[in-house]
Amino acid sequence: DSGVTQTPKHLITATGQRVTLRCSPRSGDLSVYWYQQSLDQGLQFLIQYYNGEERAKGNILERFSAQQFPDLHSELNLSSLELGDSALYFCASSEQRVWTGELFFGEGSRLTVL
Amino acid sequence: DAKTTQPNSMESNEEEPVHLPCNHSTISGTDYIHWYRQLPSQGPEYVIHGLTSNVNNRMASLAIAEDRKSSTLILHRATLRDAAVYYCILIYSGSARQLTFGSGTQLTVLP
Repeated sequence: DSGVTQTPKHLITATGQRVTLRCSPRSGDLSVYWYQQSLDQGLQFLIQYYNGEERAKGNILERFSAQQFPDLHSELNLSSLELGDSALYFCASSEQRVWTGELFFGEGSRLTVL
Repeated sequence: DAKTTQPNSMESNEEEPVHLPCNHSTISGTDYIHWYRQLPSQGPEYVIHGLTSNVNNRMASLAIAEDRKSSTLILHRATLRDAAVYYCILIYSGSARQLTFGSGTQLTVLP
């Protein structure tokens, strides 16, 4: 158990819909990262937040957005969903102030868009 | 981030050592070498990391070439549970430290 909690574990929805994925980082971790893993693209970094502020942006589509709340949990919002958005979405957290070289990943949220 | 090259797949017998290679010829002096693995249906898991010297922890050892252009992850006694995709990743020490995953090496452990 990494200590990172993601909900929901599975989600099935239709094209054009909007979903929200939630992540609770490990206690004390200030950084949250979102990754997408699909069969053809592998693990892709989407976005990182540190203590509520956006820190780095990767290959995140404009239809996707994220935020980190004062209690440090984070949400990834996916809108106008397309079939190609079907993937595993992972959240990870780390203690950025003291870099131990380690990101802790959750078990992922599997999104299926029909 | 500098690029890494790993074999697509490797096989090992259970209880034998495994050496997983990684080439990173364009590594810079401030890049850390990280290894993560992803077991089936799970999120990636940290294995080990280092800068210049060889490193050991409870999971594995990391051997870094003197010129730092390559490294090897060593699993001393492979178990069936070690079957996973292993990723070698370089992280610039001054970056936001997000990981850029390549395609990794699929390790199969044979009983």
